Amino acid sequence: GAVVSQHPSWVICKSGTSVKIECRSLDFQATTMFWYRQFPKQSLMLMATSNEGSKATYEQGVEKDKFLINHASLTLSTLTVTSAHPEDSSFYICSARTGDPGNTIYFGEGSWLTVV
Amino acid sequence: AQTVTQSQPEMSVQEAETVTLSCTYDTSESDYYLFWYKQPPSRQMILVIRQEAYKQQNATENRFSVNFQKAAKSFSLKISDSQLGDAAMYFCAYRTFLSGNTPLVFGKGTRLSVIA
Repeated sequence: GAVVSQHPSWVICKSGTSVKIECRSLDFQATTMFWYRQFPKQSLMLMATSNEGSKATYEQGVEKDKFLINHASLTLSTLTVTSAHPEDSSFYICSARTGDPGNTIYFGEGSWLTVV
Repeated sequence: AQTVTQSQPEMSVQEAETVTLSCTYDTSESDYYLFWYKQPPSRQMILVIRQEAYKQQNATENRFSVNFQKAAKSFSLKISDSQLGDAAMYFCAYRTFLSGNTPLVFGKGTRLSVIA
């Protein structure tokens, strides 16, 4: 299947700082990428839909100014957690839509964020 | 809005035996996609199987098969000859057929344990 790479896998940052997570489609162009957050023992919660060259569409309750999403190219979307706080600690996972007829969605490996 | 329900939070199966995971969904659309994703302890989301609603034939992928009942809005996953590596969280997901920019709608997941 298609490959989506997410980096970093693990990151620890100090409270009040910002951290960037990258999501790359390695062998296909992804016009649409999705960012999810997953709390322990729960399902994936959609944060935003990222379209190349345009502003992201955020889900209700997700702070746009805190979770900055940029999709500057067809193979890269970034999520920046600004002014991070301990409650932002979580597992973040991205996914990208392929251009196949079924529009299959593949996921990155995910990123563990710990804010101390 | 579409919803996906997985009524079994946890399931267990003996190695080499068969297990069926349940999934129901609610939609007013006639064309859509249904998926089963596996999330092992590594947290990587792995596509297990996909079903297009317009196809009457149930999808199969090696030891994995689905029982798609469109009228009943049911989409169960059968795992045959269960292996220890099958132990994971399994998520059922729905996606509309109409627009490529729509995300997956996930159920809450079923945690599958495989007993040696």
